[in-house]
Amino acid sequence: NAGVTQTPKFRVLKTGQSMTLLCAQDMNHEYMYWYRQDPGMGLRLIHYSVGEGTTAKGEVPDGYNVSRLKKQNFLLGLESAAPSQTSVYFCASSPGRAGELFFGEGSRLTVL
Amino acid sequence: GEDVEQSLFLSVREGDSSVINCTYTDSSSTYLYWYKQEPGAGLQLLTYIFSNMDMKQDQRLTVLLNKKDKHLSLRIADTQTGDSAIYFCAETLMDSSYKLIFGSGTRLLVRP
Repeated sequence: NAGVTQTPKFRVLKTGQSMTLLCAQDMNHEYMYWYRQDPGMGLRLIHYSVGEGTTAKGEVPDGYNVSRLKKQNFLLGLESAAPSQTSVYFCASSPGRAGELFFGEGSRLTVL
Repeated sequence: GEDVEQSLFLSVREGDSSVINCTYTDSSSTYLYWYKQEPGAGLQLLTYIFSNMDMKQDQRLTVLLNKKDKHLSLRIADTQTGDSAIYFCAETLMDSSYKLIFGSGTRLLVRP
């Protein structure tokens, strides 16, 4: 009963390095989201997808790219990591509009 | 604009009631949610209320919505130590209901 799985769970990067966070869901959900969580700021939406092959920008998209080549996967990429991207990243999926979001356990990223 | 605000911290004694408050600014909100985040985990949906409702009760949880004042509250009766967590208020909007806007979260500490 996996739900939403994020990999990796922890990563340390140097400034300028690139990496990809993978999110996989096994619930056949159409909608998928990437949020970042920073102390005192709640969750801010980075990018989201309303279906396979589609992506859209959220509140804080700069410095990130995403892809949704398969319905079950939503990838978040950092092309050139910056210390300001140190955060906990959460992936979520939803069956539809205004539906319940199911969250992964988070990926803690530190950029030195 | 879209803004959801919550107080940052609440401390209660075990067995007392807890009331967590939230204010939002967008009057076009359709659904309003309460999510719970336990340490080291993702968010889980606790309960939600549709914008045309005033109150919803679910076991120990009571949600009150005052649309005139744009105020949402979550009351937890007979608070237990297992209720210690961060509670997030969130809203979906009529015009973009495939994304949630989260508050910054209220950390609830339950003292034995």
